[in-house]
Amino acid sequence: ELKVEQNPLFLSMQEGKNYTIYCNYSTTSDRLYWYRQDPGKSLESLFVLLSNGAVKQEGRLMASLDTKARLSTLHITAAVHDLSATYFCAVPDFGNEKLTFGTGTRLTIIP
Amino acid sequence: DTEVTQTPKHLVMGMTNKKSLKCEQHMGHRAMYWYKQKAKKPPELMFVYSYEKLSINESVPSRFSPECPNSSLLNLHLHALQPEDSALYLCASSQTTGVGNTEAFFGQGTRLTVV
Repeated sequence: ELKVEQNPLFLSMQEGKNYTIYCNYSTTSDRLYWYRQDPGKSLESLFVLLSNGAVKQEGRLMASLDTKARLSTLHITAAVHDLSATYFCAVPDFGNEKLTFGTGTRLTIIP
Repeated sequence: DTEVTQTPKHLVMGMTNKKSLKCEQHMGHRAMYWYKQKAKKPPELMFVYSYEKLSINESVPSRFSPECPNSSLLNLHLHALQPEDSALYLCASSQTTGVGNTEAFFGQGTRLTVV
């Protein structure tokens, strides 16, 4: 059974600082997705990582994928308050028939 | 148009009611999904439809009944729900399931409260 774990589960950081969220998964997959969720809202797609070594950047967020280590990272550079949200990674499962989500990281940026 | 539209946005229903959640997409996607999300938890898959046929049912109780009338529409029929079924119900779609699948797009969700 595929397990997807994120750490940390909660992250409180000051504006202007850098930090990294980690996503580990238990079975082979060559792709991974990152989503953002604001409180009470739906999921917004951030990054689609489709191969080993993939790196994508959008603004202050950068995501990477290491399929050999079964690890993805979401790096936040010079955090701003607008980045406060819950971030989920998700891995295709069951022959890519479905997505299994990570445990989520609730990020709070403090002024 | 990369939009998945869900209605209603909010629903309060009694345990003896019958109601339906609706989901619509016009991206030509052939896979559609229902997820359930409890507060402070990740989304959990309920059903997958591929080319309008049910391909995955994650052992969901029969009080939840999915329906895919055509490639653009997905319904979730609700009957005799319990208070613990209160959650955010998310619909999603993707080009296909299986190899070649790239990305799932999520609707805004229906916040369901069972009283």
